[in-house]
Amino acid sequence: EAQVTQNPRYLITVTGKKLTVTCSQNMNHEYMSWYRQDPGLGLRQIYYSMNVEVTDKGDVPEGYKVSRKEKRNFPLILESPSPNQTSLYFCASLMRGANVLTFGAGSRLTVL
Amino acid sequence: AQRVTQPEKLLSVFKGAPVELKCNYSYSGSPELFWYVQYSRQRLQLLLRHISRESIKGFTADLNKGETSFHLKKPFAQEEDSAMYYCALSPHSSNTGKLIFGQGTTLQVKP
Repeated sequence: EAQVTQNPRYLITVTGKKLTVTCSQNMNHEYMSWYRQDPGLGLRQIYYSMNVEVTDKGDVPEGYKVSRKEKRNFPLILESPSPNQTSLYFCASLMRGANVLTFGAGSRLTVL
Repeated sequence: AQRVTQPEKLLSVFKGAPVELKCNYSYSGSPELFWYVQYSRQRLQLLLRHISRESIKGFTADLNKGETSFHLKKPFAQEEDSAMYYCALSPHSSNTGKLIFGQGTTLQVKP
């Protein structure tokens, strides 16, 4: 089944403890992106990647890192999480030219 | 600045009533507009896009460039329409896959 897979789906952590949220897609999509969803703010883009080894900042990149070493994977790294990064995170991908995103199921992160 | 505004956080209607979820955008060029929907415990998914000009699950949306709006409408709401709805904009020539989302509107259809 063509899909975007995120892990973990739920995570509770403490301030400063590095964590990684993985994202993998099996559709050979060039483009991948991370969003965070917060009440009243909608979905905001964190980082995106046009292809392998090509990444760029979205609207709210502070406190996050990403990498794109392989086409299928696009992990989101929080080097030193803080409580304001408590949120629901979505990974998404699309084929170039298609302009329709396929979303993962979401990862709910709580930073204490 | 590119912006999508959904003025209603929550829209509550009774089953069978008409529904209109409002979406206004700010963009200087010719954008592509979308509606995405998130049902309870499901992934965010595309509902419809303006270039398709189709009706999905009874919903339609017309792009009004004069009013810079892309309101989502359904003549008779069903309980299964209850969900979070996001309006989104893609700059026409971006080819980056970048979408700008509104704040979202929760639609609650009561029996």
